[in-house]
This record gives sequence, C-alpha cells and structure tokens, in this order.
Amino acid sequence: QVQLVQSGAEERKPGASVRVSCKASGYTFRDYYIHWVRQAPGQGLEWMGWINPNSGGTKYAQKFQGRVTMTRDTSLSTAYMELSRLRSDDTAVYYCATMGAATVDYWGQGTLVTVSS
Amino acid sequence: QSALTQPASVSGSPGQSITISCTGTSSDVGGFNYVYWYQQHPGKAPKLMIYEVSNRPSGVPDRFSGSKSGNTASLTISGLQAEDEADYYCSSYTSSSTWVFGGGTKLTVL
Repeated sequence: QVQLVQSGAEERKPGASVRVSCKASGYTFRDYYIHWVRQAPGQGLEWMGWINPNSGGTKYAQKFQGRVTMTRDTSLSTAYMELSRLRSDDTAVYYCATMGAATVDYWGQGTLVTVSS
Repeated sequence: QSALTQPASVSGSPGQSITISCTGTSSDVGGFNYVYWYQQHPGKAPKLMIYEVSNRPSGVPDRFSGSKSGNTASLTISGLQAEDEADYYCSSYTSSSTWVFGGGTKLTVL
C-alpha cells in the first residue's frame, strides 16, 4: 500500500534551519509530485510548494520563496523540505502529500517542528 | 496568493444537510476544475473527500457531494452523522501553477 513516512519531530532555535524527509513506498516515486503543507497550532492548512520527483523541478508559494528548498533523492524514493531562517511562527506540523492528482492523494503522518529560544 | 474564503463554522443536527462554501477568484476556483475538499479530525492528517470539484473517491459516502458555480465551490453533506464533525478545507490549483487552501470550516454536529 502507498505510504509516505516522514522524519521525526525537530526543535530548533530562531534563525536556524530544519530539514524534513518524506520516504515514499508502494508506488513509483517519480510518477507523482510531492507537495509540502504545514499547519500551525490551531490554524488551517498552508500550501508551501511542490517538487516534481522526475525532473527535480520545484514551485514554491511566494510566502516561502528564498527560505524553502525542496529536493529529492530518487534512489531512496525520498523527498526533502528544508526551511531556513526559522522564526517562532514557523512552529507547525509539516506534511508531505501527493495531493492534487485525483485519487492519488496520500499524506505523511506529519512532522512537528518547534522553533523556540 | 490569498487563501480561499470559507465560513469559519457551520453546524447542523443529525440527519440534516449543510453546505460549506469556498470562494476564490477566476485565477483559481473559477478558472480550473481542480477543486479538492478535505476532512480533518483533530490530530490527524487531512483525508480527501472530493476531487476535481465533484468526484468522490472510493470509500467516501455518497452523502458528500461537491459543486462549483463561477468562483465559488461548495461541499454539501446530507444526512449529517456525528462522525462528520471535523474541520473541512477546500483547495484549488491556481494560474501560477501553485495550490491554495481555504481557511477551513469547523463543522459541529449538534
């Protein structure tokens, strides 16, 4: 069955960077874009960007341009999201997902990133 | 890209019907048939309920339906059940090749 398994919770200080991984299984990794979505405590879903696992091409939400980098390693069927210059309001659960591809809609379990001094 | 506009909350009694609206622009909801609806229970990942405006994935009850008119999409839940109580989010593809979510609607089953 399709699974997206994310790396564990992280704690960072303001100004630092964090990288979250998302390992895909149960389907051909190159076939579907991986999106990253975050959800701050008690808040709604916020789309951050996507990566095309086949080409490595990316598209980021304007809000995160210059701070986010999405990459992938096709040999490991794993996508990565790195967010730099962290602020306290970046504290959130970060999800990877194969959203937007009709019924091929799978989500990771979420990774809590806490930014605190 | 601004978030799509959803009502913050809706409520209904068991057996009733409710509709959640999702308003965007001609650059997102109105311009593409790529509107998705998600259900999210506390502490859980979102679950796809409707894709491409009005299609239901296998396993989603037919009590859930979606539609679109102009720049506004809608999710209707008929025959409300207690387990439908959750947060609901719409999302849409945009003309910038990005995606955008609505602010979310909390559904309370009275």
